[in-house]
Amino acid sequence: GAVVSQHPSRVICKSGTSVKIECRSLDFQATTMFWYRQFPKQSLMLMATSNEGSKATYEQGVEKDKFLINHASLTLSTLTVTSAHPEDSSFYICSARKGALTNTIYFGEGSWLTVV
Amino acid sequence: ELKVEQNPLFLSMQEGKNYTIYCNYSTTSDRLYWYRQDPGKSLESLFVLLSNGAVKQEGRLMASLDTKARLSTLHITAAVHDLSATYFCAVDVIQGAQKLVFGQGTRLTINP
Repeated sequence: GAVVSQHPSRVICKSGTSVKIECRSLDFQATTMFWYRQFPKQSLMLMATSNEGSKATYEQGVEKDKFLINHASLTLSTLTVTSAHPEDSSFYICSARKGALTNTIYFGEGSWLTVV
Repeated sequence: ELKVEQNPLFLSMQEGKNYTIYCNYSTTSDRLYWYRQDPGKSLESLFVLLSNGAVKQEGRLMASLDTKARLSTLHITAAVHDLSATYFCAVDVIQGAQKLVFGQGTRLTINP
């Protein structure tokens, strides 16, 4: 079964509202989680790297105030898309590193966001 | 800035043929991963390559890593239709700020 769970798997929200996506490691501690956005037929674009208990490191061009990432515990990271616009519609995927600096990385099932 | 480049980006081939997907990257790293993605789905891990000269094989797929050339390859032997998917390589950087950066992906279509 899945070791990294994302919720919701699909969400539709209205323009201007905020939506939260959760990423949970189910049976391990994830000191580091990565958040990606994937547009149709494109690659996974790294948005930010989050470490438990500290601020996320955002990639160049990703708005910190728009994509709020919180990694409050070793098993949960959240991505909140604030004031969503239709162009934010995308497939969002999280991944979690099992332990510190290990090469074991698990991916969530992904979350489809549609902003109408 | 770390760059990970795959080629080809699109590959259409016939069943039974062999082909290779290439992944070049721009920074020092000993960790290179290959993933498969089916339409509408998340990623499936295929290979984890952790050292120069590493070679791993699973069924009709074989991956290798040359860290000196900063090159990884994914070789497909005697392709079958079920291997049709998009294949990504990803470079794992753990020195300094951690990053896991993906190539553009190679969309593979295998025709009967």
